[in-house]
Amino acid sequence: GAVVSQHPSWVICKSGTSVKIECRSLDFQATTMFWYRQFPKQSLMLMATSNEGSKATYEQGVEKDKFLINHASLTLSTLTVTSAHPEDSSFYICSARAPLAGAQETQYFGPGTRLLVL
Amino acid sequence: QKEVEQDPGPLSVPEGAIVSLNCTYSNSAFQYFMWYRQYSRKGPELLMYTYSSGNKEDGRFTAQVDKSSKYISLFIRDSQPSDSATYLCAMRTGGFKTIFGAGTRLFVKA
Repeated sequence: GAVVSQHPSWVICKSGTSVKIECRSLDFQATTMFWYRQFPKQSLMLMATSNEGSKATYEQGVEKDKFLINHASLTLSTLTVTSAHPEDSSFYICSARAPLAGAQETQYFGPGTRLLVL
Repeated sequence: QKEVEQDPGPLSVPEGAIVSLNCTYSNSAFQYFMWYRQYSRKGPELLMYTYSSGNKEDGRFTAQVDKSSKYISLFIRDSQPSDSATYLCAMRTGGFKTIFGAGTRLFVKA
């Protein structure tokens, strides 16, 4: 199957700093990428959807000025958590969707990035 | 009411048991139904995918979709300790946005 990578896999930072997380589709071009947040023992919560070359679409309640998303190429999307605070500590997961091929499900997930803000 | 309901468990079974995992949903426009497996501290892995109603089998896994009842199931035969994980049901309409269930934590005891 297709491979999606995330970097870093975990990060610890001080409150007030900004953290950038990269999401890459390694062997396919992703027309759309998604960013999710997952709290312990809870499901995935979609934060935003990004299409290459256009502005991200944020879900209700997600601050777009705090969670900056850039989808500069068909293989790379970045999520920047600006002025991070302890409540931003979470597991962030990206996924990438290849161009739809018939009725196939083509959304592939990255391994996630664990963020701890002290 | 959530769009997708899934019992979070945990569900504990002995090795070799048949496991039944279920989700219900409220949006009749959902057409694509998925099951993901997520190991602790890892991203979800697509396990099964079904379009519209019907059954789909892949090895020890069988996915069923009953659109009339808005109910989907995942069966795991001959469960193994390595199947211990969180199983997330997911579904979407023809668009891009996927809605996930809360996930059911499964423990298979050796």
